Amino acid sequence: DQQVKQNSPSLSVQEGRISILNCDYTNSMFDYFLWYKKYPAEGPTFLISISSIKDKNEDGRFTVFLNKSAKHLSLHIVPSQPGDSAVYFCAAKGANNLFFGTGTRLTVIP
Amino acid sequence: GAVVSQHPSWVICKSGTSVKIECRSLDFQATTMFWYRQFPKQSLMLMATSNEGSKATYEQGVEKDKFLINHASLTLSTLTVTSAHPEDSSFYICSALSGTSGSDEQFFGPGTRLTVL
Repeated sequence: DQQVKQNSPSLSVQEGRISILNCDYTNSMFDYFLWYKKYPAEGPTFLISISSIKDKNEDGRFTVFLNKSAKHLSLHIVPSQPGDSAVYFCAAKGANNLFFGTGTRLTVIP
Repeated sequence: GAVVSQHPSWVICKSGTSVKIECRSLDFQATTMFWYRQFPKQSLMLMATSNEGSKATYEQGVEKDKFLINHASLTLSTLTVTSAHPEDSSFYICSALSGTSGSDEQFFGPGTRLTVL
């Protein structure tokens, strides 16, 4: 069964507005969470991460929020830009493994 | 939902030995699987694309004789690291494409941590 889930396969947002990508996980032992961005024919590129001891991490236009009680994390991109259009994967780190969600395709409309 | 497994989840081996890593799609058929290697800064580098019944396509700079890929069935791809050296120590992740050709819905395995002593 999927331990990390991204329930929205796609999202469209107007340029300049906020993009919010969501991710849910089931294993409370995960201690580190990552977001990756993937363009076609390329490997996923690391974007931003958060440790389980924090509830927010910000890097420029990207902010990740972690709600441990709800086992939920989200990635906020503001303002969204057309170059942000890609597939975004969330991932959760276990002892030896990295569990990926199924991805959300973000389209930023100019 | 679609699940991809990898075996083993971690392995420690001596320098000069070969290690085989398996990637399986558990509840779907995957004509295409990908092998990635994680580098510092945590991004994943695509090593090769594995197509069932044909030779794998390797990315530039990846030695095909060192990283042998076999995609013998629609649910199994294997990566064999031959004559492993300490610099091969890394985290290897596979993913599988679900759906028809052209779909980019990827399901990732949980990865295999390889440590070469």
